[in-house]
Amino acid sequence: EAEVAQSPRYKITEKSQAVAFWCDPISGHATLYWYRQILGQGPELLVQFQDESVVDDSQLPKDRFSAERLKGVDSTLKIQPAELGDSAMYLCASSYTGMQPQHFGDGTRLSIL
Amino acid sequence: AQTVTQSQPEMSVQEAETVTLSCTYDTSENNYYLFWYKQPPSRQMILVIRQEAYKQQNATENRFSVNFQKAAKSFSLKISDSQLGDTAMYFCAFMKHPGANSKLTFGKGITLSVRP
Repeated sequence: EAEVAQSPRYKITEKSQAVAFWCDPISGHATLYWYRQILGQGPELLVQFQDESVVDDSQLPKDRFSAERLKGVDSTLKIQPAELGDSAMYLCASSYTGMQPQHFGDGTRLSIL
Repeated sequence: AQTVTQSQPEMSVQEAETVTLSCTYDTSENNYYLFWYKQPPSRQMILVIRQEAYKQQNATENRFSVNFQKAAKSFSLKISDSQLGDTAMYFCAFMKHPGANSKLTFGKGITLSVRP
């Protein structure tokens, strides 16, 4: 079982609705990443946190996506409103520092109807 | 910007045989890391092997080894004595030498099937 906890595992929702994903990294890991993986593709970074600060959100569609890590521990990724093209696997990963290997969670598979 | 290319979409190998998965990358960086990650069906992504670009010696982890050719920007993964549990998608990934930004740039992946 993954040490990085993500919930929910699956989410089905209609377009225009709001959706939220939660990630709890491995204890002590300061760096947290959210990746999006479209079916048949490799993951792409959406946002990277160092503690509670955003390091890189250059690929995050900020008109509809938001991410926070208020206390520098767990994190929430939100989409409002969801679009059909948002259907994908959303992966959370964490590492002790940026130089250490990233550990991935099981992901949340999002389907937009 | 860095790019990672995995041109083989899928491969198949007989159990106990050896298979090599190809990966090329493009970067202007001199210091970086390269990785192979494994993603079994409906399971988490796990690290298979890591190579630091400044090291000339190829990394090895049990049945997994790499052939790192820095000048050619090539990074292939060799799996020896293939096992049924090796069936998965395999992703090649690049990371600039970590500073503030340590994101992974992934290739499209290759689906490996191990036949009994």
